[in-house]
Amino acid sequence: AQTVTQSQPEMSVQEAETVTLSCTYDTSENNYYLFWYKQPPSRQMILVIRQEAYKQQNATENRFSVNFQKAAKSFSLKISDSQLGDTAMYFCAFMNWDFGNEKLTFGTGTRLTIIP
Amino acid sequence: DTGVSQDPRHKITKRGQNVTFRCDPISEHNRLYWYRQTLGQGPEFLTYFQNEAQLEKSRLLSDRFSAERPKGSFSTLEIQRTEQGDSAMYLCASSPGSGQRTDTQYFGPGTRLTVL
Repeated sequence: AQTVTQSQPEMSVQEAETVTLSCTYDTSENNYYLFWYKQPPSRQMILVIRQEAYKQQNATENRFSVNFQKAAKSFSLKISDSQLGDTAMYFCAFMNWDFGNEKLTFGTGTRLTIIP
Repeated sequence: DTGVSQDPRHKITKRGQNVTFRCDPISEHNRLYWYRQTLGQGPEFLTYFQNEAQLEKSRLLSDRFSAERPKGSFSTLEIQRTEQGDSAMYLCASSPGSGQRTDTQYFGPGTRLTVL
């Protein structure tokens, strides 16, 4: 079974600074997907960014980028020029490659607070 | 596109009562997922549907839990003889199910269940 570990329960950073959230995972699979989801206070979870394990290039979405280290099983999220609206719980998630096995396995989350 | 909706948003019930939650996926999304999120944890997979077929059930889904998606559109999750340990946020998500492995799961706002 896959496991996802987020070792930073809480983080805070000043507005406009850069912050990196850590995630490690454990799997014996070679092909899989990794995701970062954001859950703002009292609002629904939304996808921030995703990475296919077979791709060597790190995914980027505007101010959000990942550092994917497959050998180390590490998948960190970097938020540049942080904004107040980035305040949220951030969950790292894993999904198997296999068809019919498409559930997401989440970590315990990191609560990120952007300080004005 | 109105997004995934869930009803009710909050439910308070007494131990031993039955409760039913409804999820309406994004229109024409073939796949529908149920997750449970307890305080301080990431969401945990419960079950998922491809159209009306229930393809996978987690061991978390005890005999007291049943999910249906009778016409391949909305889904219901019923919990019989509720216990205090059932108190959680129940999240629904949907994805296009087009066969593309990069299908994103879109989450609803959740139903928060409190069992007294």
